[in-house]
Amino acid sequence: QQQVRQSPQSLTVWEGETAILNCSYENSAFDYFPWYQQFPGEGPALLISILSVSDKKEDGRFTIFFNKREKKLSLHIADSQPGDSATYFCAASERGSALGRLHFGAGTQLIVIP
Amino acid sequence: GGIITQTPKFLIGQEGQKLTLKCQQNFNHDTMYWYRQDSGKGLRLIYYSITENDLQKGDLSEGYDASREKKSSFSLTVTSAQKNEMAVFLCASSIWGSSAETLYFGSGTRLTVL
Repeated sequence: QQQVRQSPQSLTVWEGETAILNCSYENSAFDYFPWYQQFPGEGPALLISILSVSDKKEDGRFTIFFNKREKKLSLHIADSQPGDSATYFCAASERGSALGRLHFGAGTQLIVIP
Repeated sequence: GGIITQTPKFLIGQEGQKLTLKCQQNFNHDTMYWYRQDSGKGLRLIYYSITENDLQKGDLSEGYDASREKKSSFSLTVTSAQKNEMAVFLCASSIWGSSAETLYFGSGTRLTVL
């Protein structure tokens, strides 16, 4: 059973637009939500994360919006750049849980056209 | 900073063959992980290890063995490669292994089974 779902599977935007990547989860006990960014040929790297006590987290052009009631979150990439073209993974975990239990979504492949 | 080195980068095997993937980290992290990445399925945990000589099964451990003989290295063995199998195997590490820590990934080993 997929604990974390992402949509869309693929997203194409023009340079300068805001890209919106969606994520939802099943387990209401999840309270930590990182987003990882992966470029072709590389491993994923942590981009930004949020705890469930917050409804918004910003880091430059990247913003997470979190809705605990609906068990949904989204990553907004403002002023998208061609260098943002990558696959983005939403993940979730329960901070008090057993080690290593970070659940990943299937990813959204973002393409930014110049 | 540190780095995670995975070898080999590309691995081509025959059906039924036993194949070993290696991972080294110089972060001095306690916990290391092996994930499998399939297109459209995200990252799935195979094995993790919280310290030298420790092994914990993930969601996808069947068909795999792992070995953590030193703090800095973690090996994964595909016990019997499946025909037409294609996947990327990612090694990662984190300081302690709590479910809210940053994972640091290597660039992966790409497996193709003929």
